[in-house]
Amino acid sequence: AQKITQTQPGMFVQEKEAVTLDCTYDTSDQSYGLFWYKQPSSGEMIFLIYQGSYDEQNATEGRYSLNFQKARKSANLVISASQLGDSAMYFCAMRGGTGGSYIPTFGRGTSLIVHP
Amino acid sequence: DSGVTQTPKHLITATGQRVTLRCSPRSGDLSVYWYQQSLDQGLQFLIQYYNGEERAKGNILERFSAQQFPDLHSELNLSSLELGDSALYFCASSHRDYRSTDTQYFGPGTRLTVL
Repeated sequence: AQKITQTQPGMFVQEKEAVTLDCTYDTSDQSYGLFWYKQPSSGEMIFLIYQGSYDEQNATEGRYSLNFQKARKSANLVISASQLGDSAMYFCAMRGGTGGSYIPTFGRGTSLIVHP
Repeated sequence: DSGVTQTPKHLITATGQRVTLRCSPRSGDLSVYWYQQSLDQGLQFLIQYYNGEERAKGNILERFSAQQFPDLHSELNLSSLELGDSALYFCASSHRDYRSTDTQYFGPGTRLTVL
């Protein structure tokens, strides 16, 4: 079965600093996708970044980058130059071919607070 | 704005009642997924449809059912509601079928409160 682990329930960062949110995953599949979503206090789930298991380069989207270490099964999200609006819950997720289902699996999330 | 729409935004009802949540996927997306998010259970996958057909089932209760219509919008029906069904219900859509790792885009959610 697939599993996503986010070990940091809460993180604090100073505005303009960089922060890394940890995510480790467990799967026996060779082909899978890794995702990060942001959920602000308003409740919506916002897609941030995607990394495919066969992608050789780490994904980047603006201030977001994904530090993908396949051998360690980790997919950490790096937010550079944090802004107050980055305060939110962040969820790591994966989709893989376990049993052919590709059912998405989400971690429990990390709450990020950005201090001015 | 993800392009996925959900109605209603908020729903307050009583135990034992039945409600219907509605979702319209992004233009061009054929897959629709339903999730339940509660504080104690986190984000739980309920069910997926692709082009009108059920493709994958997660932790969906028998009291819950869903369908996807020919115009690709989907409805999630929750019946015999219990207090524990109070949660945020998300719909997400993606372009391809379940045997893919393509990105899901989430709607704004429907917050259900059962009193």
